[in-house]
Formats: sequence, C-alpha cells, structure tokens
Amino acid sequence: DVKVTQSSRYLVKRTGEKVFLECVQDMDHENMFWYRQDPGLGLRLIYFSYDVKMKEKGDIPEGYSVSREKKERFSLILESASTNQTSMYLCASSLPMTGNYGYTFGSGTRLTVV
Amino acid sequence: GEDVEQSLFLSVREGDSSVINCTYTDSSSTYLYWYKQEPGAGLQLLTYIFSNMDMKQDQRLTVLLNKKDKHLSLRIADTQTGDSAIYFCAEIETGGYNKLIFGAGTRLAVHP
Repeated sequence: DVKVTQSSRYLVKRTGEKVFLECVQDMDHENMFWYRQDPGLGLRLIYFSYDVKMKEKGDIPEGYSVSREKKERFSLILESASTNQTSMYLCASSLPMTGNYGYTFGSGTRLTVV
Repeated sequence: GEDVEQSLFLSVREGDSSVINCTYTDSSSTYLYWYKQEPGAGLQLLTYIFSNMDMKQDQRLTVLLNKKDKHLSLRIADTQTGDSAIYFCAEIETGGYNKLIFGAGTRLAVHP
C-alpha cells in the first residue's frame, strides 16, 4: 500500500523552539508539498518541492523553511516556533503530471505551540 | 489567480442524498477532484473527473461538471453517518507546476 508518512501525529513545542516536521513517501514521487490547515481557511500551501534540493514558496512561507536532500523525504522547519503556528500540518506527494492520481496525503501532524 | 469556492457546512438526514457544490475559476483545468477528510486524518482522494466529461458515477457518488458555469458538484446517495467528514474540491492550476488549488472544504454532518 503506497503511503505518505508523517513522523508525528501530535507535537507540543515551546515558543522559540526550532521544530522539524518530517515527511517520507514511498511512491518515488517527484513533487512534495507542505500545507497547514486551519478551521474555515482550508488548506494553505507553505512550500513545495518538485525535485531533490529544489523548493518553491507557496502562499504562506513566512516563518518556515524546508529541506529536501533525498527524493523520498521532505522536511518542514519552523525556525522559531510561535503560537500562531499552532495548526494541523499536512504533507502530500504527487507525480509531476498530477492527472487522475491527484495528491497522496499523509495523516497530518497536529502541532501545538505553547 | 485561481480560486475555488465551496459552502462551509451542510447538514443532511441519514438516508437522504447530499449535494456538495463547488465553483472554480480556471477553465483550462484538465482534472477536478473531490477529497474526503475524516476527523483527525489526512485527505483521501474520493473521485476525480476529467474536463471532457459532464458526469461520472462511482457507486453512491455522482460528480457533475458544468464547464460553462465552472461548477462542480458531488452527490452522495443514501448518505450514511460514515459519510460525515470534510469534503474538498480541487482544480489543477494550469501552467507552472500543475499544483492543486483547494477549496476551503464543506463539512458534511449526517444526523439520524
């Protein structure tokens, strides 16, 4: 069964901490994405990557960075966590031509910053 | 830029049909998608429709596409409590990296 795995389901961090959210996919997909999901706001794209070591800003990149050193792994980094980054974070992957397969999502990481 | 709009909430009685509506802006979008998100989980691809189709049926699900009005709908027949979830409509952003543009999601509540 193909999958996207996010390392943590729940995470609690303190304000100012550096936070790493990890995502691994086993489908050999070129594209990977990080979204945050907040009630009433839907999914907002933070960053995406279309190849190893390549990254593009999404709609809300401020306060975040990403790393893609290997094709299967895409990490989201909160350089200095703040309470307004408390959210559900979703990772997804896809083929370059999205087509009828769409995106495959991980189960999400619910991050609370206190 | 591209935008996808959905109503935020729908409540139906168990056994009735549910219809979730969506409008999109990119007339060149080749595929349109419906995703389902159950509580505390990620999004799962429910179904998709190719832009040269008007309708697609898959068991209890019927997708209707009106390209002229850029309107997409998802009909769930015989709605069950297990259908309670958030449903997201998405279009492909043409050009660039073929990213998906998601609506804000419609929360479907099924009551007895």
